[in-house]
Amino acid sequence: RKEVEQDPGPFNVPEGATVAFNCTYSNSASQSFFWYRQDCRKEPKLLMSVYSSGNEDGRFTAQLNRASQYISLLIRDSKLSDSATYLCVVNIANFNKFYFGSGTKLNVKP
Amino acid sequence: GAGVSQSPSNKVTEKGKDVELRCDPISGHTALYWYRQSLGQGLEFLIYFQGNSAPDKSGLPSDRFSAERTGGSVSTLTIQRTQQEDSAVYLCASSLVPRTDTQYFGPGTRLTVL
Repeated sequence: RKEVEQDPGPFNVPEGATVAFNCTYSNSASQSFFWYRQDCRKEPKLLMSVYSSGNEDGRFTAQLNRASQYISLLIRDSKLSDSATYLCVVNIANFNKFYFGSGTKLNVKP
Repeated sequence: GAGVSQSPSNKVTEKGKDVELRCDPISGHTALYWYRQSLGQGLEFLIYFQGNSAPDKSGLPSDRFSAERTGGSVSTLTIQRTQQEDSAVYLCASSLVPRTDTQYFGPGTRLTVL
């Protein structure tokens, strides 16, 4: 079983739409959570960390549900430039490695 | 400020040859990570350095792979007797502290083994 699982998509949405991705993790000792964004043939870049109480950064909202062991990313008012692959990342307490999901691909169309 | 840099950006080699990939982390970052990403796949953890030591080498695919870090800075990933399945993008990331801190990625080295 993978440590982190994501729906690969693609999610095809029109500009202005609201879209949400979920990511599930298998280890209850998971400690830190992040969403990274990866454009085609580019390196991943941090989009946002995910805090226990949930957090928002502009059009992006991240939520953590420890009981059900998933994190979510909500994107409001989608822009063409949001088209990318979104990677869910989890760090497990007392381990020094980060587990990356395979990513969810988002295509925002005009 | 300068980000993580990697060299070479592209490497084409013949099966059986050795290759060396280099990573220059952000200055002052104590943690350094190597990952591998095959076409259309997620990131596969290879190895992690805290300073010059590697407490977790569990991700190295085989004994053909090795890595070192010197002076708490530059790291090299060496692949001996390359195989075609080693073809991938090799990404390096660094963070100020391990475990909870943001990782900053380099642009990667695209390795092609013919």
